[in-house]
Amino acid sequence: GAGVSQSPSNKVTEKGKDVELRCDPISGHTALYWYRQSLGQGLEFLIYFQGNSAPDKSGLPSDRFSAERTGGSVSTLTIQRTQQEDSAVYLCASSWGDLLNRETQYFGPGTRLLVL
Amino acid sequence: QKEVEQDPGPLSVPEGAIVSLNCTYSNSAFQYFMWYRQYSRKGPELLMYTYSSGNKEDGRFTAQVDKSSKYISLFIRDSQPSDSATYLCAMSSWGKLQFGAGTQVVVTP
Repeated sequence: GAGVSQSPSNKVTEKGKDVELRCDPISGHTALYWYRQSLGQGLEFLIYFQGNSAPDKSGLPSDRFSAERTGGSVSTLTIQRTQQEDSAVYLCASSWGDLLNRETQYFGPGTRLLVL
Repeated sequence: QKEVEQDPGPLSVPEGAIVSLNCTYSNSAFQYFMWYRQYSRKGPELLMYTYSSGNKEDGRFTAQVDKSSKYISLFIRDSQPSDSATYLCAMSSWGKLQFGAGTQVVVTP
C-alpha cells in the first residue's frame, strides 16, 4: 500500500514569508508525528497527534510554528514569518496508535525547506 | 548533555567487513530501542526494533541492548555497498522517540 507522503518535496522561500507543509499518513494510522532534521543533526521532535486527543506540542521551537490535523488524517505544519534558521528537512511519520505499535513509525520522504 | 549520543562518523569499511555502530543514552525510562537507516534525500526506514536487553538478529543485522550500561549496538555482517547510508539509533518511552545524530556509513567495493 501507499506509504507516508509529503508535499512539497522542496520549498524555497524568502525570510519573513509563511510556509505550509503537508503530510498524508498511512491510511488507518491514528498517530502522526512531525520532526525536523537539520544538517548533521538527529531528528528533533516537533509535535505529535494521537486520534482525537489534544496534540503534544512540546517540541515546537517557537510560536511561529503550528500544526493541525484535519479529520484524523492529513496534517499541515505551518511556519509563520520564516527565519533562516528554519531551513531544514521536515519529516512526517505515522504509526498505529496502540501501545504495542506506537514506536514503529513510518516516515515520509520529507520536505526540504530553504529560507533565503 | 544530549539524552542520546551517537558518533556521527563517517565510518568507512571495505565490502564484506562487519560494521559496528553504537549509541549511549542517559534516560533510564527508555524502554524501546530502534535502529533506522536513512539513504540520502530519503526518510528514515525502520531496520530493527527491540524491547528488552539482549540480542536480536535479522538476516545480516544484529541489534544489542545493554540497559545496565545504557548502551545499544547494531552490527551489519558481510557489508555491501548498498548498506552505505546514515544509521540513526532511536529510543523511546510512551511513543515519543529520541534520536541520535546518526552515523554515516560508507562501504567501499
